[in-house]
Amino acid sequence: DTGVSQDPRHKITKRGQNVTFRCDPISEHNRLYWYRQTLGQGPEFLTYFQNEAQLEKSRLLSDRFSAERPKGSFSTLEIQRTEQGDSAMYLCASSLVSYYGYTFGSGTRLTVV
Amino acid sequence: AQSVTQPDIHITVSEGASLELRCNYSYGATPYLFWYVRSPGQGLQLLLKYFSGDTLVQGIKGFEAEFKRSQSSFNLRKPSVHWSDAAEYFCAVGGSGGSNYKLTFGKGTLLTVNP
Repeated sequence: DTGVSQDPRHKITKRGQNVTFRCDPISEHNRLYWYRQTLGQGPEFLTYFQNEAQLEKSRLLSDRFSAERPKGSFSTLEIQRTEQGDSAMYLCASSLVSYYGYTFGSGTRLTVV
Repeated sequence: AQSVTQPDIHITVSEGASLELRCNYSYGATPYLFWYVRSPGQGLQLLLKYFSGDTLVQGIKGFEAEFKRSQSSFNLRKPSVHWSDAAEYFCAVGGSGGSNYKLTFGKGTLLTVNP
């Protein structure tokens, strides 16, 4: 068990470019979550997968954001046409049963210039 | 809607002193409450959680928290702080039943420990 892995750790991109982040959860965890944390704020819920099904998307997740979890394993979060307001830390977590056992990854820090 | 308030943005204590970090929540039903810590360069780590039962919960690293329903509070405490406790601390509340998968976090409290 190597924990939750996120890649890349840091990403700098120009405004208007597309970016994709990857999250590898703990292998036996069937639930996967994405959160976003901006400066001075706590993490905010973005979306939730149970196996491969995306069961909830926050209103924070605009149409430029899409998340997938093919085959219920790793997950990707794509942001199209990035904006400066997308600059944040993107956190992935996984669990076996609800949030009782959330395990967070170290996050991907996105900077849009 | 559920919410969490951490009134202190930044706290400085001396090593060996006692610590209390405040957390107030708003939630319509019985809350599930958590404290997480992020040390420099690390991911969020769960310190402790409260679901039901004894209102004083023990966590890792010598931390404890007390759930006070009448005050809507879940304050984190440690009797003697170590330099390695310098980190950012987040309180969170979770829903029950069908929404038992997402957490609402406070904005965090940054703890500085002086030698």
